[in-house]
Amino acid sequence: AQKITQTQPGMFVQEKEAVTLDCTYDTSDQSYGLFWYKQPSSGEMIFLIYQGSYDEQNATEGRYSLNFQKARKSANLVISASQLGDSAMYFCAMREIPNLYGGSQGNLIFGKGTKLSVKP
Amino acid sequence: GAVVSQHPSRVICKSGTSVKIECRSLDFQATTMFWYRQFPKQSLMLMATSNEGSKATYEQGVEKDKFLINHASLTLSTLTVTSAHPEDSSFYICSPDRDGNYGYTFGSGTRLTVV
Repeated sequence: AQKITQTQPGMFVQEKEAVTLDCTYDTSDQSYGLFWYKQPSSGEMIFLIYQGSYDEQNATEGRYSLNFQKARKSANLVISASQLGDSAMYFCAMREIPNLYGGSQGNLIFGKGTKLSVKP
Repeated sequence: GAVVSQHPSRVICKSGTSVKIECRSLDFQATTMFWYRQFPKQSLMLMATSNEGSKATYEQGVEKDKFLINHASLTLSTLTVTSAHPEDSSFYICSPDRDGNYGYTFGSGTRLTVV
């Protein structure tokens, strides 16, 4: 079963408007972290925002905010005032706590990504 | 944030040859380095985890004899693709392990094309 699900392969948004990129996750751990990354065509992975499972407030970083709904296991990324430079692939990822009994090693598990295109 | 240098950024090699990819953590010591692979239009998938001073662990389906990982120091991890074939053409990217409260830093990636 997929641990990170991004249901939107592609999204279009008008410049200066807000856009929400969906992400749902699946884990039995109580402690975990959720991340969003931006990957432009160059391939580099740019960290955008982090949300810890115990954080009560939604994370915000400039124009990025994470709409964290723990009961629904969703961690949607909201980009406000979209810019042309926001056009890229966006990946949601989760980090489970490493354990000695197999399973997570502390690496990130990525969703399939959403390609965002900002229209002028 | 952590700075990770990855080289080369792009390499084209002939089928059957080997390619070494280096990943250096410039401003901190990385005891663990994650190596991911990204095929065109797909997501990043963990290939292997290198640990300084011990053997790397490989994900299911990844041939350890083909993808040799060396983590000889706290600042350098290398991935060698041996006897490369066209199906190994991919984007390889490294990321050192960090505390979960930090955004994981990634190297700039290596785009490997095997012809």
